Amino acid sequence: DAGVIQSPRHEVTEMGQEVTLRCKPISGHNSLFWYRQTMMRGLELLIYFNNNVPIDDSGMPEDRFSAKMPNASFSTLKIQPSEPRDSAVYFCATQDRQNQPQHFGDGTRLSIL
Amino acid sequence: GEDVEQSLFLSVREGDSSVINCTYTDSSSTYLYWYKQEPGAGLQLLTYIFSNMDMKQDQRLTVLLNKKDKHLSLRIADTQTGDSAIYFCAESISQAGTALIFGKGTTLSVSS
Repeated sequence: DAGVIQSPRHEVTEMGQEVTLRCKPISGHNSLFWYRQTMMRGLELLIYFNNNVPIDDSGMPEDRFSAKMPNASFSTLKIQPSEPRDSAVYFCATQDRQNQPQHFGDGTRLSIL
Repeated sequence: GEDVEQSLFLSVREGDSSVINCTYTDSSSTYLYWYKQEPGAGLQLLTYIFSNMDMKQDQRLTVLLNKKDKHLSLRIADTQTGDSAIYFCAESISQAGTALIFGKGTTLSVSS
């Protein structure tokens, strides 16, 4: 079992640039979650999908953030334009059915200069 | 509303037991989870307990659930330096597709 795979592991870019974070879920998992972790705010849910459909995006901070899940094996989180306050670790997690444990990827550490 | 509270820090000596506490507010919680995060890594599931259970034991880990007080604890027996990490408590509530509600994490420091 390959686990949840996120890329890149680290991203450093200048403010104003577009950033795309990628996630490959565990095969067969029907739900996918994007989280952001910072020292100040802890772990925050940004958006989640069930069967590739966005269910709740109320945690997405601004219109600069967007997420897609074009198929069951791939999701992206995009920030355009990026700002220094977007610097954080972004995690993707997947779940095979309701109330089962979520499995996390190793995260993408994003630094916006 | 939904909220999960944890103390921020715990410091113990190697070989002692560690007890990490968590309180939650949603009485409709179905499962409660403990995750461990080591530096630079993602969250690793340690154990979880269904809300109709009082206790679950898994090797050095013991989870106790007091549903009346909405209190969850994680006891680590014979704590080792490798147990130093951040421990997150999380609850899932009985709504279709709802994500987990996480606490802010307890940093466990184990000294030799």
